[in-house]
Amino acid sequence: TQLLEQSPQFLSIQEGENLTVYCNSSSVFSSLQWYRQEPGEGPVLLVTVVTGGEVKKLKRLTFQFGDARKDSSLHITAAQPGDTGLYLCAGDLKSGYALNFGKGTSLLVTP
Amino acid sequence: DAGITQSPRHKVTETGTPVTLRCHQTENHRYMYWYRQDPGHGLRLIHYSYGVKDTDKGEVSDGYSVSRSKTEDFLLTLESATSSQTSVYFCAIRGALNTEAFFGQGTRLTVV
Repeated sequence: TQLLEQSPQFLSIQEGENLTVYCNSSSVFSSLQWYRQEPGEGPVLLVTVVTGGEVKKLKRLTFQFGDARKDSSLHITAAQPGDTGLYLCAGDLKSGYALNFGKGTSLLVTP
Repeated sequence: DAGITQSPRHKVTETGTPVTLRCHQTENHRYMYWYRQDPGHGLRLIHYSYGVKDTDKGEVSDGYSVSRSKTEDFLLTLESATSSQTSVYFCAIRGALNTEAFFGQGTRLTVV
């Protein structure tokens, strides 16, 4: 069982639509991160959230950390073809040094 | 870009042979990680290091070993490669917990 469960696993939408990706766990995290990965490349950090209830915005992307620090969401407004990619959440547990990832959400935005 | 290099970038090897992948960093970061990426599984943690000679197992460590004899190098060894270890392997580094992890370009390993 994966420590972080992401949903949906695949998402195909048209340009201009809104979408939300979820990252859930039964464990409490000291921080959660969201990465985006392009084919043939390593993941690149989008955002880190550290405070329960925290909301961060990055242009059309909005990230939220759950109040209990067990979950996070990524909302994209008016998706564009350039948003296409694999979105991964990752978390630091309150103890230990591991950085665990979810299975990812593969997003395809068509014109 | 963070100074992290993986070698080799591509490798084809036969079942039963040992294979070592190298991750080299020039950032003097404390934490280093090895992941494998397979379709439908995201990134799965194999092993990680929190200092020289300090390593621990991740969720998919069976069949893999690691060594870190100096800060800049983290080696991943497949003692006897199997076809199930065909994958893309990523190394990551970071300077502190709860901060950004920087990834290498990946190593595509095929075991035939």
